[in-house]
Amino acid sequence: AQSVTQLDSHVSVSEGTPVLLRCNYSSSYSPSLFWYVQHPNKGLQLLLKYTSAATLVKGINGFEAEFKKSETSFHLTKPSAHMSDAAEYFCVVSEGSSNTGKLIFGQGTTLQVKP
Amino acid sequence: NAGVMQNPRHLVRRRGQEARLRCSPMKGHSHVYWYRQLPEEGLKFMVYLQKENIIDESGMPKERFSAEFPKEGPSILRIQQVVRGDSAAYFCASSPLAGGREDTQYFGPGTRLTVL
Repeated sequence: AQSVTQLDSHVSVSEGTPVLLRCNYSSSYSPSLFWYVQHPNKGLQLLLKYTSAATLVKGINGFEAEFKKSETSFHLTKPSAHMSDAAEYFCVVSEGSSNTGKLIFGQGTTLQVKP
Repeated sequence: NAGVMQNPRHLVRRRGQEARLRCSPMKGHSHVYWYRQLPEEGLKFMVYLQKENIIDESGMPKERFSAEFPKEGPSILRIQQVVRGDSAAYFCASSPLAGGREDTQYFGPGTRLTVL
């Protein structure tokens, strides 16, 4: 069965410094992986997705993630944090044992950006 | 193309009442998913529907919860005889293709249910 572990529940960075949000996955199949962002009291917005093409995936707002099969990781990075990046981030894997496409979410990482 | 629409955005119910949550998928999308987010937690899958069919309801509680996606109109998540533990944010997502694992799901803004 698929599962996702976000290694940090809370990350705090200063504006202009790099962001690293860590995610490890477990999957018996070749996974599809996603990062979604949720701003307070808002819905979820897709940042980027990996679907077995290029292992380095570029997303919106300067975010990118690298799929590393040997490490079963899909960490999210951004070179320079902006105040507007403060939000909750979810690493997500698509359930692969059936064709239903249901998503399995990590517990989330809260990103705080300090001025 | 309007995004996924959910209403109401906020819903308050007293214990024992019924809650009806509505979701209109993006235009051209015929696949709808419902997820529940409890406080301080990630989202948990509840049910996957196509038009007039429930495909996977493995995440939905067996009692008091039901979902439908009629041929015409929005998808409805119905919770009968609500209890305090049902208080959560309920998100709907839609996708355009046949539920495959590579299809992107687009999320609505959610309905925040509070049970008094």
